[in-house]
Amino acid sequence: DTEVTQTPKHLVMGMTNKKSLKCEQHMGHRAMYWYKQKAKKPPELMFVYSYEKLSINESVPSRFSPECPNSSLLNLHLHALQPEDSALYLCASSQVGSTGGYQPQHFGDGTRLSIL
Amino acid sequence: SQQGEEDPQALSIQEGENATMNCSYKTSINNLQWYRQNSGRGLVHLILIRSNEREKHSGRLRVTLDTSKKSSSLLITASRAADTASYFCATDRLDDYKLSFGAGTTVTVRA
Repeated sequence: DTEVTQTPKHLVMGMTNKKSLKCEQHMGHRAMYWYKQKAKKPPELMFVYSYEKLSINESVPSRFSPECPNSSLLNLHLHALQPEDSALYLCASSQVGSTGGYQPQHFGDGTRLSIL
Repeated sequence: SQQGEEDPQALSIQEGENATMNCSYKTSINNLQWYRQNSGRGLVHLILIRSNEREKHSGRLRVTLDTSKKSSSLLITASRAADTASYFCATDRLDDYKLSFGAGTTVTVRA
């Protein structure tokens, strides 16, 4: 079992739907991440939150809208997605290093998203 | 963003054999890490090696780092069927939250 919990595990939605992905961790980590992963490819970073503030947005289209309501929760709101957005969406969390840098990341098992 | 390359892309070995995979990267780094991903699952952190370290062990895993060649290797000894997975190297830089992943090596361990 992973310590980062993602729901739902699978999601099928039409291009006009609005849905949200949820991620939860209780390890006291103050950095949280969203990644997109296509089949047989490495994860691609989308967003980073540090201390509940958005610190990195990797030029992600506005149809993806992240939200960090508190230090344990991370949401990804989806609207008007395209078929090419079908992928595995991974959430991760980590401690924040003393210099603001990186600590090992803990990943959830992801949400498998299919856009019809 | 993808910084590195891994080779081989795929590796098939018999149970009990050793598996070696390599990772190369382009810019200076703070740490290099290896992750495992089983089919349909998230990534699991295996081992982290700092830029001032040359070798590190964890159980059946051995990682080396050569910063002059900008390369690292992961050795899995006495492989088991449960080691069947994709393995990714990932680098980070000081004061940077980003992880740059390699393309990954798919390892299949035959019983």
